[in-house]
Amino acid sequence: DQQVKQNSPSLSVQEGRISILNCDYTNSMFDYFLWYKKYPAEGPTFLISISSIKDKNEDGRFTVFLNKSAKHLSLHIVPSQPGDSAVYFCAASLYSGNTPLVFGKGTRLSVIA
Amino acid sequence: EADIYQTPRYLVIGTGKKITLECSQTMGHDKMYWYQQDPGMELHLIHYSYGVNSTEKGDLSSESTVSRIRTEHFPLTLESARPSHTSQYLCASSEAGADNEQFFGPGTRLTVL
Repeated sequence: DQQVKQNSPSLSVQEGRISILNCDYTNSMFDYFLWYKKYPAEGPTFLISISSIKDKNEDGRFTVFLNKSAKHLSLHIVPSQPGDSAVYFCAASLYSGNTPLVFGKGTRLSVIA
Repeated sequence: EADIYQTPRYLVIGTGKKITLECSQTMGHDKMYWYQQDPGMELHLIHYSYGVNSTEKGDLSSESTVSRIRTEHFPLTLESARPSHTSQYLCASSEAGADNEQFFGPGTRLTVL
């Protein structure tokens, strides 16, 4: 049973527009969420995170929104750039720092110039 | 910048061979992890360690074994490789008690013929 779901395997966005990547989770005990970015033939790199006590966290062009009642989070990238083209993984943790992360299947973002 | 290394980056071997995938980190992190990832799929945790002489199996059943004799080193061994082991193997580490940000190595792409 998949606890973290990224239902869109791919997304194409024009350069300069907003990219919105979505993630749903089933375990209400998750209390920390992270987004990772992965280029081909490389390991994932950390992008941004959010604790369950917040509903928004912003870092430059990247903003993560958390809706606990809907068990849903989203990553917004504004403006999108060609270098943002990668696979984005959503991950969740039961207790901050104490349990391994659970990852979604990823969404491949293509930013078209 | 994260300093976590994996060797080899690519490996093609025949069925039945014993192989060891190396992972080292220079950040002094207590926690280390091994993930297996196939294209379009989530990262599956196969092993993790929260310190020296401590290892645990992850949520994905694996025929591999790991050891943690030194903090910085977390090798993964397959005693007898099979074609079903063909995958990308990702090593990661994180601080104890941190906000669970994991730093990933570049991965090893294993192909078993």
